[in-house]
Amino acid sequence: GQNIDQPTEMTATEGAIVQINCTYQTSGFNGLFWYQQHAGEAPTFLSYNVLDGLEEKGRFSSFLSRSKGYSYLLLKELQMKDSASYLCAVTDSNYQLIWGAGTKLIIKP
Amino acid sequence: GAVVSQHPSRVICKSGTSVKIECRSLDFQATTMFWYRQFPKQSLMLMATSNEGSKATYEQGVEKDKFLINHASLTLSTLTVTSAHPEDSSFYICSARDLGTSGDYEQYFGPGTRLTVT
Repeated sequence: GQNIDQPTEMTATEGAIVQINCTYQTSGFNGLFWYQQHAGEAPTFLSYNVLDGLEEKGRFSSFLSRSKGYSYLLLKELQMKDSASYLCAVTDSNYQLIWGAGTKLIIKP
Repeated sequence: GAVVSQHPSRVICKSGTSVKIECRSLDFQATTMFWYRQFPKQSLMLMATSNEGSKATYEQGVEKDKFLINHASLTLSTLTVTSAHPEDSSFYICSARDLGTSGDYEQYFGPGTRLTVT
């Protein structure tokens, strides 16, 4: 079956760095997405990885290892507004998005 | 960037009535649109995939006669919840895929519709 695992909840301190991991087992792979979702709102796009390696975009970076079925989202210089759920999603062989359950990130001052 | 709108943003209806939710791609043509449902503290659940000009493909467990999807143009898809019941109360989100630009099959999400059935 298709499966995406990520931690349910994480807590970090304002100004610090946090890494949110995602492992996946899917039928085929055509890219991995990270989305941010604030409570009561729709997801917003953060990053897309299709090749191995690190993609950096401002305070956020995303890493992919296809051989390990593993990705992480790295958030630096955390701000209170970064408190949200972070969703990992993989595009399978049919280009359908398979969603993880999301990681709720709590930022403390 | 690509923008997707949804209307209405919130709707309250009585049990047994029908509700229509619109999803529009504002600045691109979307050959494929997706409808998701999200219950509190849960991840997105794909309900159906809608291709312009053809019948929607429903995920297992989603009643096609209850959730009617119409994708009549390249910029508009509608979801009608028929004979709504309180258990249909949820956050409904649409997304649209723009194959014309980056080619990375990114989905652009609408802002969502909060449906409450009383």
